[in-house]
Amino acid sequence: GAGVSQSPRYKVAKRGQDVALRCDPISGHVSLFWYQQALGQGPEFLTYFQNEAQLDKSGLPSDRFFAERPEGSVSTLKIQRTQQEDSAVYLCASSLWGQGYEKLFFGSGTQLSVL
Amino acid sequence: AQSVTQPDIHITVSEGASLELRCNYSYGATPYLFWYVQSPGQGLQLLLKYFSGDTLVQGIKGFEAEFKRSQSSFNLRKPSVHWSDAAEYFCAVGAKANFGNEKLTFGTGTRLTIIP
Repeated sequence: GAGVSQSPRYKVAKRGQDVALRCDPISGHVSLFWYQQALGQGPEFLTYFQNEAQLDKSGLPSDRFFAERPEGSVSTLKIQRTQQEDSAVYLCASSLWGQGYEKLFFGSGTQLSVL
Repeated sequence: AQSVTQPDIHITVSEGASLELRCNYSYGATPYLFWYVQSPGQGLQLLLKYFSGDTLVQGIKGFEAEFKRSQSSFNLRKPSVHWSDAAEYFCAVGAKANFGNEKLTFGTGTRLTIIP
């Protein structure tokens, strides 16, 4: 596709529900990042993939958060037993081989609201 | 650990006036520095970046930024703003790219309002 695509655009979940957020990176982009942006804050790093390998997951806030990229393309961020503090915009970004975070292309994000 | 401070939460400028958005960083080595812009409901777009060399970097949309190591700053400037520049601006610092250490640290952002 022309850009990074994220779905759904908006997600409302009841506390305790599981959610899955999808990211479709730019074709050929090897690196993929997930960021969490709380209201009024800057994005915060969650996790990083190079192809299908998850090289850094140090930003995941708890073991309720899980990300995967099984075929090195589409990625899914899963949040189990959602809590109100999980309400945020979840941004996905991708980049070409060797560029890492140096030239990131961001998607428009998924806005998650946990009631 | 690296960190970024954007001291101004909200700035209002008149269309056609000059703009300077402040950014201070904390990082032990030579940083990689970035400015991103985010319009409502949109993802972040890279305006410019500094890795090394000339400390004055030019970006898209007429923006520039100057790296000042002595002040740990990387302020964003534009000589004449346009109404379309109204958005949220984020400064970010990254560690030099090492395998397995690929994270950007963002500031909290500065919201720019343009008045006619």
